[in-house]
Amino acid sequence: DTGVSQDPRHKITKRGQNVTFRCDPISEHNRLYWYRQTLGQGPEFLTYFQNEAQLEKSRLLSDRFSAERPKGSFSTLEIQRTEQGDSAMYLCASSLGGRDYSNQPQHFGDGTRLSIL
Amino acid sequence: AQKITQTQPGMFVQEKEAVTLDCTYDTSDPSYGLFWYKQPSSGEMIFLIYQGSYDQQNATEGRYSLNFQKARKSANLVISASQLGDSAMYFCAMRERNAGGTSYGKLTFGQGTILTVHP
Repeated sequence: DTGVSQDPRHKITKRGQNVTFRCDPISEHNRLYWYRQTLGQGPEFLTYFQNEAQLEKSRLLSDRFSAERPKGSFSTLEIQRTEQGDSAMYLCASSLGGRDYSNQPQHFGDGTRLSIL
Repeated sequence: AQKITQTQPGMFVQEKEAVTLDCTYDTSDPSYGLFWYKQPSSGEMIFLIYQGSYDQQNATEGRYSLNFQKARKSANLVISASQLGDSAMYFCAMRERNAGGTSYGKLTFGQGTILTVHP
């Protein structure tokens, strides 16, 4: 039983560059979530998908951020024109979702740590 | 207003003792879920326990139990018989229904409590 997988584990890039992260959820999970976590804080919601549909996107999310889940399986999160403030841990989670799945926990990957030079 | 408040930045406990980590929440939705996660220094988020707003009994999961006081909007995590491996950051999180009231989506997390277990 494989868990949520994220790639890469670490990414170091220069300010202004674009970066893309990948998340592979637990195979039977139809929902996939992206969160951002800065040091000493709780994770902050970015966006989530049910199958291939993006159901919610945080109002705090800059237009530089975009996420896709084209076939309802893996997802990518792209950040364009990175800024210093984008340095954080980007966490992906998956779960079963829908009207009857309110008690289903989200299972998290190990995250991608982004450092902007 | 903060949706999830964890007022204890850090807590210390002696090995084999019990410890309570506090969590209060704010919502006007009568239907919601509360979750606790553990995040060791290695970084992974580990699901511990869940409590639904309509659950009549407090949730328990091994050494973890949830002291759910709905009227006070609190959902404190109790860890019994603490072990050295329990040293970690602990997050309380809430899931509410979406704007349409048809589904549950994102988690909203508190700021966490760092638990240190002393031998």
